[in-house]
Amino acid sequence: AQSVTQLDSQVPVFEEAPVELRCNYSSSVSVYLFWYVQYPNQGLQLLLKYLSGSTLVKGINGFEAEFNKSQTSFHLRKPSVHISDTAEYFCAVSPYGQNFVFGPGTRLSVLP
Amino acid sequence: GAGVSQTPSNKVTEKGKYVELRCDPISGHTALYWYRQSLGQGPEFLIYFQGTGAADDSGLPNDRFFAVRPEGSVSTLKIQRTERGDSAVYLCASSTTRGPYNEQFFGPGTRLTVL
Repeated sequence: AQSVTQLDSQVPVFEEAPVELRCNYSSSVSVYLFWYVQYPNQGLQLLLKYLSGSTLVKGINGFEAEFNKSQTSFHLRKPSVHISDTAEYFCAVSPYGQNFVFGPGTRLSVLP
Repeated sequence: GAGVSQTPSNKVTEKGKYVELRCDPISGHTALYWYRQSLGQGPEFLIYFQGTGAADDSGLPNDRFFAVRPEGSVSTLKIQRTERGDSAVYLCASSTTRGPYNEQFFGPGTRLTVL
């Protein structure tokens, strides 16, 4: 079975500051890794994904994530956040490309 | 183009009642997924359709939950004898076909409240 841990349930950060949202996973098989964002009253939107190749993945809206196999982590980063980045962020794994297992989410609040 | 739509956006029902939740996927998407998102949690997989058939229903919690997709497009999630623990946001997603190379596009969800 797979599991995803997002240690920070809430992350407040000031506008233009850098941010890192942490994601760790557990799996006995190979997995693909994803980050989704959920803005208020909207559906989940794919930010980025790691399938293979370079461990540094760039996504939309200036976000990037790095896959670390030895630490089973896939942390999400952005060098400078905007007010509009305020949202819920979900890390997910997909074993062998099958059904997603989502983490509990991290609520990012960007303060002016 | 139009995204995934779900109706109703909110549904309030009483314990023991029957409810139906509808999902309209993106036109041409053969894969359709249902998820349940409880308060403070991430989405939890319920069922996956490829075309008209339920290819994987391993996430359905019990036999009170059932889903159909008779014509390979619109899908309906049906919950019988609702319980207060069924209260959650039910999400639908679609993709061109299954697999990590095909992005799942999510609808806004239906918020179900069982009183």
